[in-house]
Amino acid sequence: GIQVEQSPPDLILQEGANSTLRCNFSDSVNNLQWFHQNPWGQLINLFYIPSGTKQNGRLSATTVATERYSLLYISSSQTTDSGVYFCAVAPTGTYKYIFGTGTRLKVLA
Amino acid sequence: GAGVSQSPSNKVTEKGKDVELRCDPISGHTALYWYRQRLGQGLEFLIYFQGNSAPDKSGLPSDRFSAERTGESVSTLTIQRTQQEDSAVYLCASSLGAGLTEAFFGQGTRLTVV
Repeated sequence: GIQVEQSPPDLILQEGANSTLRCNFSDSVNNLQWFHQNPWGQLINLFYIPSGTKQNGRLSATTVATERYSLLYISSSQTTDSGVYFCAVAPTGTYKYIFGTGTRLKVLA
Repeated sequence: GAGVSQSPSNKVTEKGKDVELRCDPISGHTALYWYRQRLGQGLEFLIYFQGNSAPDKSGLPSDRFSAERTGESVSTLTIQRTQQEDSAVYLCASSLGAGLTEAFFGQGTRLTVV
């Protein structure tokens, strides 16, 4: 089956710093989403981004499906950005999302 | 409803008992998914429904796990003869179409088997 790898696995930032999270997948996909799992376990939708680039405030994402990767950019990080970031892909020909390994982010005040 | 709703939020059960977990999807969403998340781990796919049929049950870990869905509404995940390794958070998601549109998650049910 498809492999979905995220990097880095862990990241510690000082408040105000910028970061880039990466999601690599091993096969073609129909869809891709980025989620933030907050410290209470809730999965929050960040981007629905099968291809192209989107921006929402301090966050932006780019998916290059032909090269099988997606990037999530966080600028001017805040302590509330702490948590785990997951990408999830829907492999071509299937109807389910497969989650990546996650990036655990901690933002220090 | 406004979002995906799961109940109960927490469930503690004794080993060997059966449990039922409930998911109410967003109104109008035809696709529904169940995932399991063990402590500190990622999300494992269990099963997905399109309407009330389940074309993909490939993630159910054993025959102790089953799920059903009534029409395009509520779904129930049942775990029979629970084991300690079943302890996890069980998450439900729904989307307008299967795998082709944005999925939204509920808050999860934390299951503890003692």
